[in-house]
Formats: sequence, C-alpha cells, structure tokens
Amino acid sequence: QVQLQESGPGLVKPSQTLSLTCTVSGGSISSGSYYWSWIRQPAGKGLEWIGRIYTSGSTNYNPSLKSRVTISVDTSKNQFSLKLSSVTAADTAVYYCARGSSGWGAYYYYYYMDVWGKGTTVTVSS
Amino acid sequence: SYVLTQPPSVSVAPGQTARITCGGNNIGSKSVHWYQQKPGQAPVLVVYDDSDRPSGIPERFSGSNSGNTATLTISRVEAGDEADYYCQVWDSSSDHQGVFGGGTKLTVL
Repeated sequence: QVQLQESGPGLVKPSQTLSLTCTVSGGSISSGSYYWSWIRQPAGKGLEWIGRIYTSGSTNYNPSLKSRVTISVDTSKNQFSLKLSSVTAADTAVYYCARGSSGWGAYYYYYYMDVWGKGTTVTVSS
Repeated sequence: SYVLTQPPSVSVAPGQTARITCGGNNIGSKSVHWYQQKPGQAPVLVVYDDSDRPSGIPERFSGSNSGNTATLTISRVEAGDEADYYCQVWDSSSDHQGVFGGGTKLTVL
C-alpha cells in the first residue's frame, strides 16, 4: 500500500526558508486522481492545512500562509515538496504530508486525506 | 474563511456511546470528514463524506451531517478509542482550502 515519508532539516533559523520533502512509496505519485497535501500541528494544538498540489502542478494554499508557501512536485522522483519562507517561531510544528482524494457529490465538492506520513518535527530557533 | 467549531472535550464510560459534534454555517451542504489522532501519532481517517468508513475502520464509528451540525458517533466505546478527533471540510468559497475543526479530546472514563 502507499506510504508517505517526510524528510528535511529539523531546525531552521528565523527568517530562513523551511524546506521539506515527502517521498511516496508503494505506488506512483502520478497514478490515480490524487492531490498531495501538507498539514502542520504546533505542539499541543490542532491541525492546520497548509496546501495541496495535483500532479499537473495545480495548487491550492491556505490564504493565511499563501504569501510564504510553495508546494511543488517531482514525478520522476515520486516526491513532492514544501517551502515556507521567512519563518518565525510560530512556524514550529510537526509537519505532515498526506494523500488527498477528491470528487463531486450530488451538489458539493469533497476532499479528504486518506494516507498520512508519520510527521516530522521542525523547530524554528536561532 | 469557513469556521468549524468542536467541543474541546467529551467524556464517556466504556461501552457507552460518544457523540462528537462539528458546527459550521450550513455544514449540511458540505462533505464532512473525521480523523482520529492518538498521542504521538499521525491522524487516521475514520469517516469520510459524512458517513462512509475506510476499510479497516470498525462499524462502531459512524457519521451524520445536517443543518449546521455534523456528528461523529462512536458506539460501544473502548479504552482504545481515547484520542483527539478532528472534523474537516473543503471550503469552496472565495478561498479554496481545506479547513479543520479545533479538535475534541475524547476521554474514556
């Protein structure tokens, strides 16, 4: 079955760019009509959706982070990536990547995340 | 942006039924999904599209959605169900984005 694994630096300095990669195994990132998402969770707090990408390159971002976020995909490596610029201590969190399934019901669009990585902790500190 | 409201905590005795609500403006017109997260672990999808269960999720987990409230119901609660639960929708208004509720801590007494 499909598995996801996050990787990247665990410590980032303030004002720098956080960069994470999610490697997809057990299946091709290009197969099926899936989106690929990033979600984060500060310690002791709830989940925050960061954004998603389709293998065509189409993206959607959380408006509160949009000016600082870039999500990209590399189908040749079966990976997708997150870049978050100008980080502060408020960006310290566990970052998860996830596979998203989407479609249309009778009168609504649905999108949910059915496969998640284990998460990676990123601390922003000098 | 669209806001989802969950109670911070719900407590239930083993064998009883737990109901966790997720409130939102006309949420009944959206598709609601629920995730279970145990300490130190990644979230797990337990209900999608209001009331469907992924394979491997016990029938004890069910969902409903109408009006301004969606509900996750856990029947015959077990100690292993103790976790945080999050609802999630897709906001198709001006901002196309995923939205999570604040989460509910389910305590099994």
